[in-house]
Amino acid sequence: EAGVTQFPSHSVIEKGQTVTLRCDPISGHDNLYWYRRVMGKEIKFLLHFVKESKQDESGMPNNRFLAERTGGTYSTLKVQPAELEDSGVYFCASSLPGMNTEAFFGQGTRLTVV
Amino acid sequence: QKEVEQNSGPLSVPEGAIASLNCTYSDRGSQSFFWYRQYSGKSPELIMFIYSNGDKEDGRFTAQLNKASQYVSLLIRDSQPSDSATYLCAVRKIGNNRKLIWGLGTSLAVNP
Repeated sequence: EAGVTQFPSHSVIEKGQTVTLRCDPISGHDNLYWYRRVMGKEIKFLLHFVKESKQDESGMPNNRFLAERTGGTYSTLKVQPAELEDSGVYFCASSLPGMNTEAFFGQGTRLTVV
Repeated sequence: QKEVEQNSGPLSVPEGAIASLNCTYSDRGSQSFFWYRQYSGKSPELIMFIYSNGDKEDGRFTAQLNKASQYVSLLIRDSQPSDSATYLCAVRKIGNNRKLIWGLGTSLAVNP
């Protein structure tokens, strides 16, 4: 069975450009999460989908970030316009329903804004 | 004060020894505690989780939780060089909020 898949693995863009990250969760996983790790800092929660609904988006930094999960399958995270401080590794994770079900992480997308 | 604190290390132990990794948290409303392992350039992978006071064992790994003292630890028995990685502690609070709050991670090096 395929794990959580993220595209692209790396992205280098210029400040002011737009980037869209994609996450394909494990099939059947209703819960989908986005996290970000900035160099030297802890992994930080961005948001949580249950199927196509945003359950918690308290971690989204600002309105330059837009996450979608149309149809409750794959999700996209768009940054527009990108700023230097958006650089980091963006992780996606998915899990089955239930409070303590394991969250499986993708390999992450390393975003560098120059 | 960070919500979840870990000693960044590196923690260095000889092969076959017990590695002890510690994590403290500040919010008494924390409910579930997770240990993830992350190899360089790879995704975090869950080792185990614990939500009741006491010990929980899984193979060579034992998680220990003490809610009164607000710490959770991970013991790795018979450490192997393949255990060398960064160990991340993550905490989930009570309620419907499922987000994980993470520590910085402890780097472990097991020397042959």
